[in-house]
Amino acid sequence: QVQLVQSGAEVKKPGASVKVSCKASGYTFTSYAMHWVRQAPGQRLEWMGWINAGNGNTKYSQKFQGRVTITRDTSASTAYMELSSLRSEDTAVYYCAREGTYYDILTGYYKEDYFDYWGQGTLVTVSS
Amino acid sequence: QSVLTQPPSVSGAPGQRVTISCTGSSSNIGAGYDVHWYQQLPGTAPKLLIYGNSNRPSGVPDRFSGSKSGTSASLAITGLQAEDEADYYCQSYDSSLSGPWVFGGGTKLTVL
Repeated sequence: QVQLVQSGAEVKKPGASVKVSCKASGYTFTSYAMHWVRQAPGQRLEWMGWINAGNGNTKYSQKFQGRVTITRDTSASTAYMELSSLRSEDTAVYYCAREGTYYDILTGYYKEDYFDYWGQGTLVTVSS
Repeated sequence: QSVLTQPPSVSGAPGQRVTISCTGSSSNIGAGYDVHWYQQLPGTAPKLLIYGNSNRPSGVPDRFSGSKSGTSASLAITGLQAEDEADYYCQSYDSSLSGPWVFGGGTKLTVL
């Protein structure tokens, strides 16, 4: 069965960086894209970025451009999200989520753009 | 401010039917992009509930259904149960600078 297991909670000081890992199992890691989504306390889900686990291509939300870096280690079936220049507003639960794919019989195309499996989340607290 | 707009809260009694709306624009839902729905129980990660506007993953009860029309989508829950109390989020793809993957603001469902 598909599982995404994330690293543990982190406490960081303002200005520091944090790197969260997401180990995938139960499927071929390089066949699916991986996304990172965060959720500040009591707030909505917020998309941060995406990596094509096969070729390593990435795309980031404009909001986090320049501060976020998503990488992967195919030998370890693990994706990473690093966020730098942390500030108190970055306190949130960070999730990795696999991009799903399905065959749409109405259009005859394979479709993606949704998240079929999620990690358990990693709480990152930014505090001085 | 979310690109996709949802009501902050809805409520219903056990056994009733409730709907949650998700309103977008011409750069996302109105552009033909699919809408997907997630259920987030308290203290847990989101779980895929509906994909491709109206498809249920295996294991999701047929009490949950989705639809899409124009620039909006809806999630309907029939035969409401206590365990349905959760936050529900819609999600789509957006071709503007807000995207490309965007979520609604979330709707808190309370089972009375």
